[in-house]
Amino acid sequence: EAQLVEFGGGLVQPGGSLRLSCEDSGFTFGSSSMNWVRQAPGKGLEWVSYINPGGSVTYYADFVKGRFTISRDNAKNSLYLQMSSLRAEDTAVYYCVREVPRCCHYMDVWGKGTTVTVSS
Amino acid sequence: IVLTQSPGTLSLSPGERATLSCRASQSVSSYLAWYQQKPGQTPRLLIYDASNRATGIPARFSGSGSGTDFTLTISSLEPEDFAVYYCQQRGAWPLTFGGGTRVEIK
Repeated sequence: EAQLVEFGGGLVQPGGSLRLSCEDSGFTFGSSSMNWVRQAPGKGLEWVSYINPGGSVTYYADFVKGRFTISRDNAKNSLYLQMSSLRAEDTAVYYCVREVPRCCHYMDVWGKGTTVTVSS
Repeated sequence: IVLTQSPGTLSLSPGERATLSCRASQSVSSYLAWYQQKPGQTPRLLIYDASNRATGIPARFSGSGSGTDFTLTISSLEPEDFAVYYCQQRGAWPLTFGGGTRVEIK
Protein backbone atom coordinates (compact mmCIF):
# COMPACT_ATOMS: atom_id res chain seq x y z
CA GLU A 1 0.00 0.00 0.00
CA ALA A 2 1.18 3.50 -0.75
CA GLN A 3 2.91 5.22 2.11
CA LEU A 4 2.70 8.90 2.84
CA VAL A 5 5.48 10.52 4.84
CA GLU A 6 5.30 14.12 6.05
CA PHE A 7 8.28 16.39 6.71
CA GLY A 8 8.88 19.93 7.80
CA GLY A 9 7.14 20.31 11.14
CA GLY A 10 8.78 22.08 14.02
CA LEU A 11 8.70 24.99 16.43
CA VAL A 12 7.95 28.40 14.94
CA GLN A 13 7.20 31.78 16.48
CA PRO A 14 3.81 33.42 16.06
CA GLY A 15 3.71 35.24 12.76
CA GLY A 16 6.31 32.94 11.28
CA SER A 17 6.23 30.60 8.31
CA LEU A 18 6.77 26.92 7.71
CA ARG A 19 6.57 24.63 4.70
CA LEU A 20 5.33 21.09 5.11
CA SER A 21 6.08 18.38 2.57
CA CYS A 22 4.58 14.97 2.00
CA GLU A 23 6.17 12.26 -0.12
CA ASP A 24 4.13 9.43 -1.61
CA SER A 25 5.93 6.15 -2.22
CA GLY A 26 3.08 4.76 -4.29
CA PHE A 27 2.49 4.75 -8.02
CA THR A 28 -0.76 6.66 -8.24
CA PHE A 29 0.11 10.04 -6.70
CA GLY A 30 -0.38 11.89 -9.96
CA SER A 31 -3.96 10.65 -10.23
CA SER A 32 -4.88 11.17 -6.58
CA SER A 33 -6.70 14.02 -4.91
CA MET A 34 -4.88 15.02 -1.75
CA ASN A 35 -5.70 16.84 1.47
CA TRP A 36 -4.12 18.19 4.61
CA VAL A 37 -5.97 17.47 7.86
CA ARG A 38 -4.80 18.59 11.29
CA GLN A 39 -5.40 17.56 14.86
CA ALA A 40 -4.53 19.75 17.82
CA PRO A 41 -3.28 17.95 20.95
CA GLY A 42 -6.17 16.07 22.52
CA LYS A 43 -8.65 17.55 20.07
CA GLY A 44 -10.65 16.45 17.05
CA LEU A 45 -9.90 16.39 13.35
CA GLU A 46 -9.90 19.58 11.27
CA TRP A 47 -9.81 19.54 7.48
CA VAL A 48 -7.33 22.15 6.22
CA SER A 49 -6.97 22.04 2.44
CA TYR A 50 -7.58 20.08 -0.78
CA ILE A 51 -5.88 19.86 -4.16
CA ASN A 52 -7.01 17.97 -7.25
CA PRO A 53 -4.74 15.59 -9.15
CA GLY A 54 -3.57 18.18 -11.66
CA GLY A 55 -3.09 20.91 -9.08
CA SER A 56 -5.50 23.29 -10.77
CA VAL A 57 -8.23 23.20 -8.12
CA THR A 58 -7.67 24.00 -4.46
CA TYR A 59 -9.90 24.62 -1.46
CA TYR A 60 -9.18 25.84 2.06
CA ALA A 61 -10.79 25.91 5.46
CA ASP A 62 -11.88 29.42 6.39
CA PHE A 63 -9.45 29.53 9.32
CA VAL A 64 -6.39 29.17 7.01
CA LYS A 65 -7.61 30.95 3.90
CA GLY A 66 -5.14 33.61 2.83
CA ARG A 67 -2.42 32.23 5.11
CA PHE A 68 -1.83 28.69 3.83
CA THR A 69 -1.15 27.51 0.26
CA ILE A 70 -1.39 23.92 -0.92
CA SER A 71 0.57 22.74 -3.95
CA ARG A 72 1.96 19.58 -5.49
CA ASP A 73 4.74 18.34 -7.75
CA ASN A 74 3.58 15.15 -9.45
CA ALA A 75 7.03 14.54 -10.95
CA LYS A 76 8.35 14.28 -7.40
CA ASN A 77 5.29 12.51 -5.94
CA SER A 78 5.12 15.32 -3.42
CA LEU A 79 2.48 17.45 -1.73
CA TYR A 80 3.21 20.73 0.05
CA LEU A 81 1.61 23.11 2.50
CA GLN A 82 3.11 26.58 2.75
CA MET A 83 2.01 28.12 6.03
CA SER A 84 2.47 31.77 6.91
CA SER A 85 1.24 34.21 9.57
CA LEU A 86 1.13 31.27 11.95
CA ARG A 87 -0.86 31.52 15.16
CA ALA A 88 -0.81 29.58 18.40
CA GLU A 89 -4.08 27.93 17.37
CA ASP A 90 -2.34 26.41 14.34
CA THR A 91 -0.41 24.13 16.71
CA ALA A 92 -1.32 20.59 15.69
CA VAL A 93 -0.25 17.40 14.03
CA TYR A 94 -0.64 17.88 10.29
CA TYR A 95 -1.59 14.83 8.26
CA CYS A 96 -1.16 14.35 4.52
CA VAL A 97 -4.17 12.34 3.31
CA ARG A 98 -5.03 10.66 0.04
CA GLU A 99 -8.69 10.50 -0.92
CA VAL A 100 -10.53 7.31 -1.74
CA PRO A 101 -9.54 6.47 -5.34
CA ARG A 102 -11.89 7.60 -8.08
CA CYS A 103 -14.18 8.98 -5.46
CA CYS A 104 -15.38 11.80 -3.70
CA HIS A 105 -13.54 13.70 -0.96
CA TYR A 106 -13.43 11.02 1.68
CA MET A 107 -10.12 10.34 3.42
CA ASP A 108 -8.45 7.01 2.72
CA VAL A 109 -4.68 6.77 3.31
CA TRP A 110 -3.12 8.89 6.06
CA GLY A 111 0.50 9.70 6.75
CA LYS A 112 1.77 9.51 10.31
CA GLY A 113 1.77 13.27 10.58
CA THR A 114 4.24 16.03 11.36
CA THR A 115 3.95 18.23 14.42
CA VAL A 116 3.77 22.00 14.13
CA THR A 117 4.15 24.03 17.31
CA VAL A 118 3.57 27.78 17.21
CA SER A 119 4.97 29.40 20.31
CA SER A 120 7.28 32.17 21.40
CA ILE B 1 -21.52 23.28 7.36
CA VAL B 2 -21.23 22.50 11.07
CA LEU B 3 -21.47 18.87 12.12
CA THR B 4 -22.58 18.24 15.69
CA GLN B 5 -21.96 14.80 17.13
CA SER B 6 -23.73 13.36 20.14
CA PRO B 7 -23.25 12.19 22.72
CA GLY B 8 -19.75 13.38 23.49
CA THR B 9 -19.00 10.17 25.33
CA LEU B 10 -20.81 6.85 25.25
CA SER B 11 -20.10 4.36 28.06
CA LEU B 12 -21.05 0.83 27.10
CA SER B 13 -20.06 -2.77 27.73
CA PRO B 14 -18.77 -5.26 25.13
CA GLY B 15 -21.68 -6.89 23.35
CA GLU B 16 -23.94 -3.84 23.70
CA ARG B 17 -25.32 -1.80 20.83
CA ALA B 18 -23.84 1.64 20.19
CA THR B 19 -25.79 4.40 18.48
CA LEU B 20 -23.90 7.55 17.52
CA SER B 21 -25.47 10.66 16.05
CA CYS B 22 -24.21 13.32 13.64
CA ARG B 23 -26.36 16.33 12.81
CA ALA B 24 -25.51 18.80 10.02
CA SER B 25 -26.37 22.50 10.14
CA GLN B 26 -27.74 22.20 6.59
CA SER B 27 -28.47 19.36 4.24
CA VAL B 28 -25.52 17.35 2.98
CA SER B 29 -27.74 14.89 1.08
CA SER B 30 -26.13 11.48 1.69
CA TYR B 31 -22.58 12.82 1.48
CA LEU B 32 -21.41 11.82 4.93
CA ALA B 33 -18.67 9.51 6.16
CA TRP B 34 -17.73 7.98 9.50
CA TYR B 35 -14.20 7.35 10.76
CA GLN B 36 -12.77 5.49 13.72
CA GLN B 37 -9.64 6.68 15.52
CA LYS B 38 -7.86 4.69 18.20
CA PRO B 39 -5.24 6.23 20.51
CA GLY B 40 -1.95 6.79 18.73
CA GLN B 41 -3.40 5.82 15.37
CA THR B 42 -4.66 7.67 12.33
CA PRO B 43 -8.36 7.60 11.47
CA ARG B 44 -9.85 4.73 9.50
CA LEU B 45 -12.75 5.16 7.09
CA LEU B 46 -15.71 3.04 8.15
CA ILE B 47 -18.74 4.29 6.24
CA TYR B 48 -19.04 6.55 3.19
CA ASP B 49 -22.05 8.17 1.54
CA ALA B 50 -24.02 7.62 4.73
CA SER B 51 -24.54 3.87 4.49
CA ASN B 52 -21.79 2.18 2.48
CA ARG B 53 -19.19 0.19 4.39
CA ALA B 54 -15.61 0.77 3.32
CA THR B 55 -13.43 -2.13 2.27
CA GLY B 56 -12.75 -4.58 5.07
CA ILE B 57 -15.14 -3.03 7.58
CA PRO B 58 -17.10 -5.61 9.59
CA ALA B 59 -20.84 -5.91 9.11
CA ARG B 60 -21.52 -4.89 12.72
CA PHE B 61 -20.89 -1.30 11.59
CA SER B 62 -23.78 0.33 9.76
CA GLY B 63 -24.73 3.84 8.81
CA SER B 64 -28.02 5.48 8.02
CA GLY B 65 -29.56 8.87 7.42
CA SER B 66 -29.77 11.64 4.87
CA GLY B 67 -30.19 15.37 4.78
CA THR B 68 -29.19 16.61 8.22
CA ASP B 69 -29.47 13.59 10.52
CA PHE B 70 -27.17 10.61 10.44
CA THR B 71 -26.52 7.60 12.64
CA LEU B 72 -23.64 5.18 13.04
CA THR B 73 -24.65 1.93 14.69
CA ILE B 74 -22.34 -0.73 16.05
CA SER B 75 -24.61 -3.72 16.56
CA SER B 76 -22.54 -5.53 19.19
CA LEU B 77 -19.41 -3.87 20.56
CA GLU B 78 -16.16 -5.78 20.30
CA PRO B 79 -13.21 -4.84 22.57
CA GLU B 80 -11.42 -3.27 19.59
CA ASP B 81 -14.33 -0.93 18.87
CA PHE B 82 -13.70 1.31 21.87
CA ALA B 83 -12.35 4.42 20.19
CA VAL B 84 -13.31 7.90 19.01
CA TYR B 85 -15.65 8.22 16.03
CA TYR B 86 -15.88 11.21 13.70
CA CYS B 87 -18.31 12.13 10.96
CA GLN B 88 -17.25 14.16 7.91
CA GLN B 89 -19.33 15.81 5.21
CA ARG B 90 -18.53 16.39 1.56
CA GLY B 91 -21.81 18.05 0.67
CA ALA B 92 -20.20 21.46 0.36
CA TRP B 93 -16.83 23.16 0.58
CA PRO B 94 -15.15 23.51 2.96
CA LEU B 95 -15.17 19.91 4.06
CA THR B 96 -15.85 19.59 7.78
CA PHE B 97 -15.56 17.03 10.54
CA GLY B 98 -17.73 16.64 13.58
CA GLY B 99 -16.26 17.02 17.05
CA GLY B 100 -16.22 13.28 17.72
CA THR B 101 -17.88 10.76 20.01
CA ARG B 102 -15.77 8.71 22.38
CA VAL B 103 -17.00 5.17 22.96
CA GLU B 104 -15.55 3.96 26.22
CA ILE B 105 -15.77 0.77 28.21
CA LYS B 106 -18.31 0.95 31.00
